[in-house]
Amino acid sequence: DIQMTQSPSSVSASVGDRVTITCRASQGISSWLAWYQQKPGKAPKLLIYAASILQSGVPSRFSGSGSGTDFTLTISSLQPEDFATYYCQQANSFPFTFGPGTKVDIK
Amino acid sequence: EVQLVESGGGLVQPGKSLRLSCAASGFTFSRHWMSWVRQAPGKGLEWVAYMNQDGSEKFSVDSVKGRFTISRDNAKNSLYLQMNSLRVEDTAVYHCARTAATGRGLDVWGQGTTVTVSS
Repeated sequence: DIQMTQSPSSVSASVGDRVTITCRASQGISSWLAWYQQKPGKAPKLLIYAASILQSGVPSRFSGSGSGTDFTLTISSLQPEDFATYYCQQANSFPFTFGPGTKVDIK
Repeated sequence: EVQLVESGGGLVQPGKSLRLSCAASGFTFSRHWMSWVRQAPGKGLEWVAYMNQDGSEKFSVDSVKGRFTISRDNAKNSLYLQMNSLRVEDTAVYHCARTAATGRGLDVWGQGTTVTVSS
């Protein structure tokens, strides 16, 4: 199975900050990577798929990049509604494993 | 409105069985891969199982193989997860999720149904 890691595990940031989250796959997954946002008690929400394609309706302050084994999610200017946990997920081969998550909270 | 609604969760003793259902509406169910994803209390997301559009292909994570079975009924726009020989560690919120037509992202999620395995 492909293992996914994320760093940092948590980050404290202020509104307006630029936040970058890194996701690494244990083997190459081409661009088969998705990013999700989850708020407490809610279902996850798809932000980005195919490593860099913004899901419809997602604000443009979110962006994704990378291919192969190393990927990043960037929030260019953190907004109050962005405080949440973010997960990456590989969709290259089954099982479609998730990363452990990165919690973004208020500094 | 595109929607997924899970049902069937509850409190069950270890070793017992439970069947989860997911009712889809607002989209052509038969055109999409479907998956089950779970989240144990205070933990991260765990992908559990997947089935392709016509049910001819499925896959599940090792921790549930031989115990959980995913199935679907396209005529009823429904996805199922039959869970047998339940363990305490299966306690989680179980979400069904639709795979997007492109990119394989899970683009529609249900709110989840809670399964608690305890004696």
